Amino acid sequence: SQTIHQWPATLVQPVGSPLSLECTVEGTSNPNLYWYRQAAGRGLQLLFYSVGIGQISSEVPQNLSASRPQDRQFILSSKKLLLSDSGFYLCAFFAQGRPEQYFGPGTRLTVT
Amino acid sequence: AQSVTQPDIHITVSEGASLELRCNYSYGATPYLFWYVQSPGQGLQLLLKYFSGDTLVQGIKGFEAEFKRSQSSFNLRKPSVHWSDAAEYFCAVGARNTPLVFGKGTRLSVIA
Repeated sequence: SQTIHQWPATLVQPVGSPLSLECTVEGTSNPNLYWYRQAAGRGLQLLFYSVGIGQISSEVPQNLSASRPQDRQFILSSKKLLLSDSGFYLCAFFAQGRPEQYFGPGTRLTVT
Repeated sequence: AQSVTQPDIHITVSEGASLELRCNYSYGATPYLFWYVQSPGQGLQLLLKYFSGDTLVQGIKGFEAEFKRSQSSFNLRKPSVHWSDAAEYFCAVGARNTPLVFGKGTRLSVIA
């Protein structure tokens, strides 16, 4: 079966520090991968998506970047965190040939 | 432009009462339609989906939704709400291998 993992589950980082959030998918190959951010009390904001290794599309210019070093691995990074980067980060994927999206458990990031 | 409107930000219902959450969409063609549920601090779980065929679709946890093309709507219903149904509900539209467009969500509270 297909599963998606995210880590860490929670993270508290000071302003100006770097960030690396990881997402991995199991049970499928060549998935489309997505990073979303969810601010408190707000909907989902699509940040990045990837249709293949090394292929990244950015939806919102910001302090974050994404990379896909392996087929089923998607990483969200920042060189210097801002207070406004706080939020709940969700990774999601489409399995090949499927139109529904599946979400990971999320990472709660608090920038202090 | 593609968009999803969930007109109700917050709904409160009594346990055992019926529920209907509204969703209206704007999309260039007949889209795939989805409802997701999110418990606090968790990822999004797929409740149900509509691709084609019968316009009344059944999902998990006793939920159903009806696609009405003429009204561009995909409302979620449950005949009898349980306290465990308290959560955030998101409607989404999309097409195969393209990022889903999400509504801003409806928060459901259940009272005794």
